[in-house]
Amino acid sequence: DSGVTQTPKHLITATGQRVTLRCSPRSGDLSVYWYQQSLDQGLQFLIQYYNGEERAKGNILERFSAQQFPDLHSELNLSSLELGDSALYFCASSHQGVSYNEQFFGPGTRLTVL
Amino acid sequence: SQQGEEDPQALSIQEGENATMNCSYKTSINNLQWYRQNSGRGLVHLILIRSNEREKHSGRLRVTLDTSKKSSSLLITASRAADTASYFCATDTNRDDKIIFGKGTRLHILP
Repeated sequence: DSGVTQTPKHLITATGQRVTLRCSPRSGDLSVYWYQQSLDQGLQFLIQYYNGEERAKGNILERFSAQQFPDLHSELNLSSLELGDSALYFCASSHQGVSYNEQFFGPGTRLTVL
Repeated sequence: SQQGEEDPQALSIQEGENATMNCSYKTSINNLQWYRQNSGRGLVHLILIRSNEREKHSGRLRVTLDTSKKSSSLLITASRAADTASYFCATDTNRDDKIIFGKGTRLHILP
């Protein structure tokens, strides 16, 4: 158990819908990272927050957004969902803001868009 | 495109044998990390090697880094069934604060 929690575990929705994925980092970790893992694209970095502020941005679509709240939990919002958004979404946390710090991954949210 | 590319894509070996996976990358790096992922689960950090290091050990794991060839290898000695997983390398550069994962090597340990 990494100490990072993600909810929900599974999400099935339809195209065009909007969903919110939630992540609670390990106690004391200030950084949260979001990743998307699909069979064809592998593990893609989406975005990082550090202590409430956006720190780094990766291949995140404009239809996706994220935020980190004062209690350090984070949410990833996916809107206008398309079939290709079906994937595993992972959240990871680390204590500091630099990406090469060991990241602790949550169990993931499996999103299926029908 | 991916910074790190693992090779082979898949590897099956007998329990007790050594497993070697390679990672090649394109641009200069600060650090290279190896992660393991059991099927459908989150990644688990295994080891980090800095660009000024050539070799690092952790238990049955041995990682080497050759910056002149832009490559790294992960050796798992005396493999066990529990080592069955996907293994990813991840690199970071001094251009930005991101780490880039490769597509992974799927390792299957045969009983």
